[in-house]
Amino acid sequence: QLQLQESGPGLTKPSETLSLTCNGSGGSITKSSYYWGWIRQPPGKGLENIGSVYYSGTTYYNPSLKNRVIISTDTSKNQFSLQLRSVTAADTAVYYCAMSTIGYYALDIWGQGITVTVSS
Amino acid sequence: QSALTQPASVSGSPGQSITISCTGTISDIGGYNYVSWYQKHPGKGPKLVIYDVTHRPSGISNRFSASKSGNTASLTISGLQAEDEADYHCSSYTTTGTLVFGGGTRLTVL
Repeated sequence: QLQLQESGPGLTKPSETLSLTCNGSGGSITKSSYYWGWIRQPPGKGLENIGSVYYSGTTYYNPSLKNRVIISTDTSKNQFSLQLRSVTAADTAVYYCAMSTIGYYALDIWGQGITVTVSS
Repeated sequence: QSALTQPASVSGSPGQSITISCTGTISDIGGYNYVSWYQKHPGKGPKLVIYDVTHRPSGISNRFSASKSGNTASLTISGLQAEDEADYHCSSYTTTGTLVFGGGTRLTVL
């Protein structure tokens, strides 16, 4: 059964770029998949969609983050990635990768999340 | 892109039913039949329990049901069990081509 796992630094300095990778195991992330996405949850707050990349290669980003975000896939490595530029303390959150195999707009496979703190 | 509106908390006793609402706009919930609900336990990733407004993924108990009317979606959990205690988050497709989530609702089983 396909599982996802986030990896990357748990601490990033303000103004730097946050880079996270989501690795698939137990199967191919391209099998029966519609799209791959990143979602975050700041402390004490709800989930926030960061953006997604569809099987076609088209990307969609949260308008509030659009100018700072890049989501990409590397199917040869069975992974997809997130880059968030110019981070501030407001970007401190648990970051989740997720994918959809059940429909275009429902995320049915999730990673367990990675805590990222932005601090000097 | 404003977050969908959910009550901060709901509670119920074992065996009872509860309903969680999720209110958006015509640009999200009201405009598309792409509402999903996620169950989240502390320290774990979210789990999809409802998609496309009313559909349950394989393996999800039929105690979970959902509906939509206008700009508001609702999740109902019947026959409450202790294991249902978790945070529940709604989401919807939006006119921007992205997803928007609600603020989450903490369900307490008394």
